[in-house]
Amino acid sequence: NAGVMQNPRHLVRRRGQEARLRCSPMKGHSHVYWYRQLPEEGLKFMVYLQKENIIDESGMPKERFSAEFPKEGPSILRIQQVVRGDSAAYFCASSPDSSRPQHFGDGTRLSIL
Amino acid sequence: GESVGLHLPTLSVQEGDNSIINCAYSNSASDYFIWYKQESGKGPQFIIDIRSNMDKRQGQRVTVLLNKTVKHLSLQIAATQPGDSAVYFCAENTSRVGLVFGQGTRLTINP
Repeated sequence: NAGVMQNPRHLVRRRGQEARLRCSPMKGHSHVYWYRQLPEEGLKFMVYLQKENIIDESGMPKERFSAEFPKEGPSILRIQQVVRGDSAAYFCASSPDSSRPQHFGDGTRLSIL
Repeated sequence: GESVGLHLPTLSVQEGDNSIINCAYSNSASDYFIWYKQESGKGPQFIIDIRSNMDKRQGQRVTVLLNKTVKHLSLQIAATQPGDSAVYFCAENTSRVGLVFGQGTRLTINP
């Protein structure tokens, strides 16, 4: 049973470009969470989605960031007009429901030149 | 606001010894806690969880203790092995805002 799959593992963008991060949850998991991690820090919650719905986006910046989890296909975290401060590791987690443990992918490391 | 923190940022133990990693949380209404292990370049790996109606839960070589009175959580790892070297996070599960992670404790196993 494959775990949470994230791609790409590494992404380099120049300031002003767009970054698209993808996450395929574990089979049977309909709840997806995105987190951001800076070096030597814990993960910070960004957004919580179920299929086709954003449940909680309280941790996601209002501007330039968006997330979706379509009926078919992976969840996408999109960052428009990237800035240096967006450099971080972005992790996706999934769970069968909100009361069960979240299982994480190995992240996308975003570097902004 | 909600916060989950750790007492020590680093911990070194001898291989074969037991280790204890501590965590304090601030939201007394939280009812579910999880310990994760994160190795370099990887995502957090689920270790063990505990709900607030329990004081103790055991897994393979790991035990989690929950003291709700003082809002304290600990992870005990028995007979540590080199593969236990990693950063350990406690996390508080809130169904509304997702997991709230502590800063992490780096555990180093000395041969």
